[in-house]
Amino acid sequence: QVQLVQSGSELKKPGASVKVSCKASGYTFTSYAMNWVRQAPGQGLEWMGWINTNTGNPTYAQGFTGRFVFSLDTSVSTAYLQISSLKAEDTAVYYCARGGRRLGELTYFDYWGQGTLVTVSS
Amino acid sequence: AIRMTQSPSSFSASTGDRVTITCRASQGISSYLAWYQQKPGKAPKLLIYAASTLQSGVPSRFSGSGSGTDFTLTISCLQSEDFATYYCQQYYSYPPAFGGGTKVEIK
Repeated sequence: QVQLVQSGSELKKPGASVKVSCKASGYTFTSYAMNWVRQAPGQGLEWMGWINTNTGNPTYAQGFTGRFVFSLDTSVSTAYLQISSLKAEDTAVYYCARGGRRLGELTYFDYWGQGTLVTVSS
Repeated sequence: AIRMTQSPSSFSASTGDRVTITCRASQGISSYLAWYQQKPGKAPKLLIYAASTLQSGVPSRFSGSGSGTDFTLTISCLQSEDFATYYCQQYYSYPPAFGGGTKVEIK
């Protein structure tokens, strides 16, 4: 069965960096896009962008350029989200989510990781 | 960018009720619409895609309809496990966008 397992919660100080992992299993990792979605406390869902798991090419949504980096290690079927120069407003749950359609097509999200809470506080 | 607006933002209902949630797109999106259910502290779960196609394993009391700009999610007979927040999402054009959510609470 398809599973996306994310790394655990993080508590970081402003200005630090964090790297969240998302390990996939149960399917061919390089056949489906991996997306990242943010949910601030008590708020809705916000699409951050996606990474082509076949080419490694990332696409970032507006508002998620510069400090946010998507990467892969296909040898272990894992996607990563790195956020640098953390700010208090980055406090949120970050989800990885598999694209449900053919790689490269804009899509819905058929499987989700359990979420990683990143808290930024001094 | 396409904006997705859900209504109502929240409401109360009883077990056994038939409930309908509405999602409106700011421009036509054909049938490129998905619905998700999210329970507190949990990840969203895909219920419906292509406006009306039920994801595998989702109970048949859930149904979706609509095309163009107006869509609905219907739960035919609300069960206790259905109390949650529901989101619509368009995947017609970049960026894919979610509605603001509809919270279904127990009356």
